[in-house]
Amino acid sequence: SQQGEEDPQALSIQEGENATMNCSYKTSINNLQWYRQNSGRGLVHLILIRSNEREKHSGRLRVTLDTSKKSSSLLITASRAADTASYFCATDDGGTSYGKLTFGQGTILTVHP
Amino acid sequence: NAGVMQNPRHLVRRRGQEARLRCSPMKGHSHVYWYRQLPEEGLKFMVYLQKENIIDESGMPKERFSAEFPKEGPSILRIQQVVRGDSAAYFCASSPAWSQNTEAFFGQGTRLTVV
Repeated sequence: SQQGEEDPQALSIQEGENATMNCSYKTSINNLQWYRQNSGRGLVHLILIRSNEREKHSGRLRVTLDTSKKSSSLLITASRAADTASYFCATDDGGTSYGKLTFGQGTILTVHP
Repeated sequence: NAGVMQNPRHLVRRRGQEARLRCSPMKGHSHVYWYRQLPEEGLKFMVYLQKENIIDESGMPKERFSAEFPKEGPSILRIQQVVRGDSAAYFCASSPAWSQNTEAFFGQGTRLTVV
């Protein structure tokens, strides 16, 4: 599998439900970031979690990081139709001193009103 | 403070033509990264530049692709003699000097279509 793989590939839920997306990676990292991409648009940065952090919150977003399992999860609580988008995790390369990112394939989230 | 600006947003080129994609980083950012996104896929790193220097071009195809970030002006990604397989969205990101907390800010992308 590749660095930064998301699971599931697609997720369909009703408004108000929670959405959980998972990401796995293979190498050591300094940080892991989550991005959102609306169809045909650019990437919006959601949250960055450092390798020495285990959990981070931002509004309705909750990100966890387990470096022993090389995995992260993104939880969106009380989802809204406007959350419909593709979500990507991205990791840097812990061995380098610059921010080159490796992205996963993404999870396509559809929130039905 | 304007975000990362990319232009054009859409570019159509015939096979064999040249494509020039421009990226102006956020004010105060000296690091520029180019990524390519093929349909239904994630972004793939192409090249990392600082002013007047290519630091890492490990993701760049060996032929036809080049990038620069001159002392003055935007960063340019240049694709010569485009082929259909070059059709993709090309994203530029910029960041300040790197640290463990550095976020990369992305532009809206340039969608290249080769006909």
